[in-house]
Amino acid sequence: TQLLEQSPQFLSIQEGENLTVYCNSSSVFSSLQWYRQEPGEGPVLLVTVVTGGEVKKLKRLTFQFGDARKDSSLHITAAQPGDTGLYLCAGYKAAGNKLTFGGGTRVLVKP
Amino acid sequence: DTEVTQTPKHLVMGMTNKKSLKCEQHMGHRAMYWYKQKAKKPPELMFVYSYEKLSINESVPSRFSPECPNSSLLNLHLHALQPEDSALYLCASSRVASSGRTLEAKDTQYFGPGTRLTVL
Repeated sequence: TQLLEQSPQFLSIQEGENLTVYCNSSSVFSSLQWYRQEPGEGPVLLVTVVTGGEVKKLKRLTFQFGDARKDSSLHITAAQPGDTGLYLCAGYKAAGNKLTFGGGTRVLVKP
Repeated sequence: DTEVTQTPKHLVMGMTNKKSLKCEQHMGHRAMYWYKQKAKKPPELMFVYSYEKLSINESVPSRFSPECPNSSLLNLHLHALQPEDSALYLCASSRVASSGRTLEAKDTQYFGPGTRLTVL
């Protein structure tokens, strides 16, 4: 059982459409990171969120950390083919020193 | 600079070979990690080094042997691997607050580009 559940597992959209990826847990996380990974490459950090209710924007990407710090979302506006990749959420639990990963969401943006 | 480098990029080895993967960071981070990632799966933690000492071994088989020669370098020595060990091996690093304590919860891990390992 994944401690962090990501949904959907796969998303295929046309260029210009919006998309949202969800990361949910029954556990409290003291911080949560979002990464984007391309095939054969390492995950690249997009953002770290640490405060419940926090919203961070990175150009067309908007990240939200739930008030209870149990869930997070990533919203992409006007997706582009360059947004294609595997999106991973990962978090540190309130007690613990290991990073827990979600199962990943594979995003395909078609031109 | 948030760069973690890994060499080689690709490695093909036989089951009787001995090889090593290398990882380097110059961010002053004192925690370094090895992960294994199979296709279409998230990374799985293998080892954690904190202040050059092994702090976590996730029950990894002894054919994988980590080494941390100094605070900037992390090696993974490979011997007598099996074909099912073929995967992307990722190194990561993060800041450590102080010796002997668990990592601060807010520490962000920065990943290297990985080594694609194929065991024949």
